[in-house]
Amino acid sequence: KAGVTQTPRYLIKTRGQQVTLSCSPISGHRSVSWYQQTPGQGLQFLFEYFSETQRNKGNFPGRFSGRQFSNSRSEMNVSTLELGDSALYLCASSLGHLGGNTIYFGEGSWLTVV
Amino acid sequence: TQLLEQSPQFLSIQEGENLTVYCNSSSVFSSLQWYRQEPGEGPVLLVTVVTGGEVKKLKRLTFQFGDARKDSSLHITAAQPGDTGLYLCAGKNSGNTPLVFGKGTRLSVIA
Repeated sequence: KAGVTQTPRYLIKTRGQQVTLSCSPISGHRSVSWYQQTPGQGLQFLFEYFSETQRNKGNFPGRFSGRQFSNSRSEMNVSTLELGDSALYLCASSLGHLGGNTIYFGEGSWLTVV
Repeated sequence: TQLLEQSPQFLSIQEGENLTVYCNSSSVFSSLQWYRQEPGEGPVLLVTVVTGGEVKKLKRLTFQFGDARKDSSLHITAAQPGDTGLYLCAGKNSGNTPLVFGKGTRLSVIA
């Protein structure tokens, strides 16, 4: 079956702009979580959505937001981009809530802020 | 905030050599996972260890969870170029909490 699909794969934005990233989970998976990966900080949890509700949130400013649709697809948005937002943004899906299921990562969206 | 420290950060070895990477924390985790991430791809789960002292083998890879469930190690025997990648450990607490990831060990195996 198809894996986790993230779009776009690569994008370049200017400081102050906003960006929306999309994630389509594995068919049947209801939980989608988002992570930011940078060389300095590693993988950091942004938030998790399950059944269209945000269930967990990491320690990121309010400029980072997300949502989940009824078909489990998810989007994350970053407003007022800063240079430090340059990172690989990874989406992961799982059958159930974060509690116990294996998570499967997409290939990520590379964001460069200039 | 729970932290997972991985060492070494970088490792470059010749094909056929053995290596061990470590994942340490001052906190107890209910389970610990190891992932491998190859360039341009997302992390892929290798193994989950749950019981203190547990040892799991996956072909040439041996994973161990510390008795106190605060640390873990990954040993690779006779490394091959295909083992090249970023190895990440991630700790899980009980309940509906997200994984806590270490920063990873970047392994390069030279033919």
